Amino acid sequence: AQRVTQPEKLLSVFKGAPVELKCNYSYSGSPELFWYVQYSRQRLQLLLRHISRESIKGFTADLNKGETSFHLKKPFAQEEDSAMYYCALSRYNQGGKLIFGQGTELSVKP
Amino acid sequence: NAGVTQTPKFQVLKTGQSMTLQCAQDMNHEYMSWYRQDPGMGLRLIHYSVGAGITDQGEVPNGYNVSRSTTEDFPLRLLSAAPSQTSVYFCASTKTAGGHEQYFGPGTRLTVT
Repeated sequence: AQRVTQPEKLLSVFKGAPVELKCNYSYSGSPELFWYVQYSRQRLQLLLRHISRESIKGFTADLNKGETSFHLKKPFAQEEDSAMYYCALSRYNQGGKLIFGQGTELSVKP
Repeated sequence: NAGVTQTPKFQVLKTGQSMTLQCAQDMNHEYMSWYRQDPGMGLRLIHYSVGAGITDQGEVPNGYNVSRSTTEDFPLRLLSAAPSQTSVYFCASTKTAGGHEQYFGPGTRLTVT
């Protein structure tokens, strides 16, 4: 069965500390992995996707097929990073049909 | 462009009532979908459409109907509301079914009493 697991409901760090939001998936085939973010009172929006291998707002994520993981990392957290983060996957080339994880709330304290 | 719009923003229904959640997009996107967001469960796909006249079920379709008569609009109908349908509903669109970014609407918060 296709599944995305985000084991942490809430992650609380201090400003300037490193951040790692965990994401594990189960999928038979070649999935595409995404991170979506929802800031307070804003719409859910794409943060990054594994195929682009880019860094957005200092965040990076590497797809590890051996460990079936797609953890989101940032070396130095900022207060404005506080938000709800969702890991999601789709079948290859079907990015419109997403399976979401449960979400992790990131709280960055001053 | 307004992007993806949803109405209403909030709605309270009584058990057994029916209603339609509206969703529209002005980006000429082929693909549209409806998700529900529940605490601790993330977003789950209800129904989706790959183009006008074509719809299909997602993960949690029971109790909901959709239609896609135009490219722009994708309404979600609750046939007989139940408390289990209390949730936040998001509509999303992407350029094509293979698109790599979904654009989400602001959401509709529905409470069924």
